[in-house]
Amino acid sequence: KNEVEQSPQNLTAQEGEFITINCSYSVGISALHWLQQHPGGGIVSLFMLSSGKKKHGRLIATINIQEKHSSLHITASHPRDSAVYICAVRTWGTSGSRLTFGEGTQLTVNP
Amino acid sequence: KAGVTQTPRYLIKTRGQQVTLSCSPISGHRSVSWYQQTPGQGLQFLFEYFSETQRNKGNFPGRFSGRQFSNSRSEMNVSTLELGDSALYLCASSASLWGGGETQYFGPGTRLLVL
Repeated sequence: KNEVEQSPQNLTAQEGEFITINCSYSVGISALHWLQQHPGGGIVSLFMLSSGKKKHGRLIATINIQEKHSSLHITASHPRDSAVYICAVRTWGTSGSRLTFGEGTQLTVNP
Repeated sequence: KAGVTQTPRYLIKTRGQQVTLSCSPISGHRSVSWYQQTPGQGLQFLFEYFSETQRNKGNFPGRFSGRQFSNSRSEMNVSTLELGDSALYLCASSASLWGGGETQYFGPGTRLLVL
């Protein structure tokens, strides 16, 4: 079982729909990150969370530390939101800290 | 401010060769991390450098190495290339070590093809 699991793997929505992407993890973390990757490879960091909820424009990210679960919501989705969304967790070990990534969720928003 | 830059953007090598990739962080950023992305394994952490010191290393063989210079620019080297090293190599910079809660800024990546 992967340390970071995302669902769904693929998601197709119509423009304007409310979208939720989920991330579950099985280890203790110091932070959780949501990343967006567009075709061509460029990655943008959307949120970094250690507790609670953050909002940026139409994007909202929440985390429940006790349940080891985070969600990324997109309100009023738009075709330009089409991208791969990746959840990553920051963990600390004997050799320092590292990032572990989920497999990503491919989101397609149709006009 | 200029973003994170990576050179070269595309590279084709043959098995057994070695390759050096370069990453220039955002001005003022002292932390550089490297990641490998493949269709089969997804994104995986390679190394993290801060103030010219490697702070952490992922689970990659010794053929993968890196360094950071006094101006925070970083290079990674892969020796004795294998077909499975074909991937997108991404670097990211932040002002301080990421465990301190800094946002990372990613470069466009270097796409390496090993034939």
